Amino acid sequence: AQSVTQLGSHVSVSEGALVLLRCNYSSSVPPYLFWYVQYPNQGLQLLLKYTTGATLVKGINGFEAEFKKSETSFHLTKPSAHMSDAAEYFCAVSEEGNNDMRFGAGTRLTVKP
Amino acid sequence: GAGVSQSPSNKVTEKGKDVELRCDPISGHTALYWYRQRLGQGLEFLIYFQGNSAPDKSGLPSDRFSAERTGESVSTLTIQRTQQEDSAVYLCASSLVARQVLYEQYFGPGTRLTVT
Repeated sequence: AQSVTQLGSHVSVSEGALVLLRCNYSSSVPPYLFWYVQYPNQGLQLLLKYTTGATLVKGINGFEAEFKKSETSFHLTKPSAHMSDAAEYFCAVSEEGNNDMRFGAGTRLTVKP
Repeated sequence: GAGVSQSPSNKVTEKGKDVELRCDPISGHTALYWYRQRLGQGLEFLIYFQGNSAPDKSGLPSDRFSAERTGESVSTLTIQRTQQEDSAVYLCASSLVARQVLYEQYFGPGTRLTVT
């Protein structure tokens, strides 16, 4: 079954610094990969997703992620952190025809002024 | 244009009691998912409904857990004889089409269940 590992349960960056949240997946077939964000007291919302095609995926709020099959990774990046980016971020993997989307444990991003 | 709603937002119950959690999906969404999120852990898939098809119950952790959905409307997740390990946030999500998980899942705010 597919699985996801998010390295670092808590990441802290300064405002304006690069954001890098790591995600590695395991899947026996080509995966579908997702990043979700959960702002305080809100539900999860989709940031971006990779299904097929271009391996660099751009999402909302300036975030992007690159699917690297050789590294089984789907790391999330943003060139310049903003205070409003403080939230919990979840990486998820699924496979075509499989209803079971597997989520990572989440990474809490803190942005310091 | 309401999103997915869940009730109650918080529930505290005594060990051994039954609880019922409710999810109202987005109108027109044929697929509905339940997940469990324990403290410090990722989301754990519980069950999935797609239209009038038989639900996929492969994620339910024990026979104390059950869920129902009538057509493409409200779903209820029932936990019987609650245990302390059932304490978690229970999240509901809906989407337009489920089989191809290309379609975005829209999540509700969750129900925080505490079993004392």
